[in-house]
Amino acid sequence: AQKITQTQPGMFVQEKEAVTLDCTYDTSDPSYGLFWYKQPSSGEMIFLIYQGSYDQQNATEGRYSLNFQKARKSANLVISASQLGDSAMYFCAMREDPNAGGTSYGKLTFGQGTILTVHP
Amino acid sequence: EAGVAQSPRYKIIEKRQSVAFWCNPISGHATLYWYQQILGQGPKLLIQFQNNGVVDDSQLPKDRFSAERLKGVDSTLKIQPAKLEDSAVYLCASSPRLAGGKNTGELFFGEGSRLTVL
Repeated sequence: AQKITQTQPGMFVQEKEAVTLDCTYDTSDPSYGLFWYKQPSSGEMIFLIYQGSYDQQNATEGRYSLNFQKARKSANLVISASQLGDSAMYFCAMREDPNAGGTSYGKLTFGQGTILTVHP
Repeated sequence: EAGVAQSPRYKIIEKRQSVAFWCNPISGHATLYWYQQILGQGPKLLIQFQNNGVVDDSQLPKDRFSAERLKGVDSTLKIQPAKLEDSAVYLCASSPRLAGGKNTGELFFGEGSRLTVL
């Protein structure tokens, strides 16, 4: 079963508008982390935002916010005031923590990605 | 602080040939990962090292892929013999060891090594 699902292969948004990229996940671990990465055409993976499963508030980082709905197992990325430079592939990823509180981190499992195109 | 270094950036080989990729993680990062990213897909973990020990290699095709991390620092990923379906970007990533505090466990990625198998 797929652990991370991104159902939007592509999204279009007008410059300066907000856009939401969807992500749902599946895990039975009570402790886990959710990440969003941006991958421009140049190929590097750029970390955007993180949400821990026990965090009470939704994470925010500048124009990025994460709409975390734990009961629905969704972690949607909201980009406000889109810019042309936001055009890229966006990946949602999850880290399961079966040994929460340990001294090392587990791997990230990535979704299939969503290509975002920002129109001027 | 220097980022994750990878080489070569690009490699073109014929099927059945061999290839090796090198990765130097961020200084002090105990965990090192190799991911395979096929065009249009998300990265898939091949192998995870904690210092110089293997933590997870369940998705590594061991009949043709091998990886090592001598002395717990840099790492080499080898493919021998290569197949057409190995054409992909091979991403190396690292993360710091300690959990908790302000560390999120995010992975820091290199620029990747793009392999084309003809």
